[in-house]
Amino acid sequence: AQSVTQLGSHVSVSEGALVLLRCNYSSSVPPYLFWYVQYPNQGLQLLLKYTSAATLVKGINGFEAEFKKSETSFHLTKPSAHMSDAAEYFCAVSKSGNKLVFGAGTILRVKS
Amino acid sequence: DAGVTQSPTHLIKTRGQHVTLRCSPISGHKSVSWYQQVLGQGPQFIFQYYEKEERGRGNFPDRFSARQFPNYSSELNVNALLLGDSALYLCASSKRSARDYEYNEQFFGPGTRLTVL
Repeated sequence: AQSVTQLGSHVSVSEGALVLLRCNYSSSVPPYLFWYVQYPNQGLQLLLKYTSAATLVKGINGFEAEFKKSETSFHLTKPSAHMSDAAEYFCAVSKSGNKLVFGAGTILRVKS
Repeated sequence: DAGVTQSPTHLIKTRGQHVTLRCSPISGHKSVSWYQQVLGQGPQFIFQYYEKEERGRGNFPDRFSARQFPNYSSELNVNALLLGDSALYLCASSKRSARDYEYNEQFFGPGTRLTVL
């Protein structure tokens, strides 16, 4: 069975600092991996996805993530945090994109 | 192009009642999936429908049911509501129902916030 673990339910960074949100997955087969962002009272917006092409994936709003099979990780990073990045972030895994298995989420707070 | 739309946006029900949530997929998309997101948790998969047939079901009780119509819109029905059914219900559409290892991107709607009192 597939599962996702997001380390840290809350992460706080200063504006301009590096953002690092951690995601580890458990999957018996090479998966598809996703990061979604959710702003308050809104649905999910896809930030980026890994679909077995390049292991370093670039997404929207300056975010990127690196697939590391040996570590079963897919951490999300952004070099410089902006106030508008404050939101909840979800890592998800799927064998095809049909049934997404989500982590519990990480709330990112950006301090001015 | 319009994205995935859901109605209503908010809903308040009491325990024991029944609720119907609606979803219209992106034009040209034939698959709809439903997810439940309880406050403080990640979304959980409930159902997937493709071409009006159920293609996947998550670990939810039989009180939860869904259907897809010829125009590919979908309804999620929940009977005998419990307090624990209070959640944001998300609908996602995709072009098709992919086989395993065949990528199929889902696009999410804004959700319906259900509160059960």
